[in-house]
Amino acid sequence: AQSVTQLGSHVSVSEGALVLLRCNYSSSVPPYLFWYVQYPNQGLQLLLKYTSAATLVKGINGFEAEFKKSETSFHLTKPSAHMSDAAEYFCAVSEPGGYQKVTFGIGTKLQVIP
Amino acid sequence: GAGVSQSPSNKVTEKGKDVELRCDPISGHTALYWYRQSLGQGLEFLIYFQGNSAPDKSGLPSDRFSAERTGGSVSTLTIQRTQQEDSAVYLCASSPQAITSSYNEQFFGPGTRLTVL
Repeated sequence: AQSVTQLGSHVSVSEGALVLLRCNYSSSVPPYLFWYVQYPNQGLQLLLKYTSAATLVKGINGFEAEFKKSETSFHLTKPSAHMSDAAEYFCAVSEPGGYQKVTFGIGTKLQVIP
Repeated sequence: GAGVSQSPSNKVTEKGKDVELRCDPISGHTALYWYRQSLGQGLEFLIYFQGNSAPDKSGLPSDRFSAERTGGSVSTLTIQRTQQEDSAVYLCASSPQAITSSYNEQFFGPGTRLTVL
């Protein structure tokens, strides 16, 4: 069985500060890992994904995440927060293969303080 | 259309009534997923359709929930005898789902916010 734990349902950062959203996973096989972003009143949008290639993955809007197998983590970071980054972020895990049943975390709401 | 669309965007209903939620996937996408998003619960998988195969209904929370996909395109999620705990945002996603591919991105619609009074 696969699962995802997101630490912190709400995170507040100042504009220009480092963004760090934590995600730990559990999977019985080498996983695929994802971060999705959901802006207010919108659907989820893929931010970045890890599919067993490079462990440091770069996504849209300056976000990146590093797959650390030893820590079973896939934390999302951005060096400098922008007001437009305020949204809800979901970490997700799936098993490789043509049909991926994706398991999502509970989400972390990011607030950016001016 | 260019993306996944869902209707209605908002639905308010009374306890005990039936509701139908519609999803129009991206043209050509063979896979379609329904999820439920409740406050503090993340996204809960409900059901998955892939082409003409039997759907994976393992996530449906009760027999009051059902879904169908006509002609491999539009899907309808039906909730019978709605309860207050059914209040949530229902999200639909579609995917090109090439079985030979190692990964298939899911594209999400904006969701339907269901409120059961």
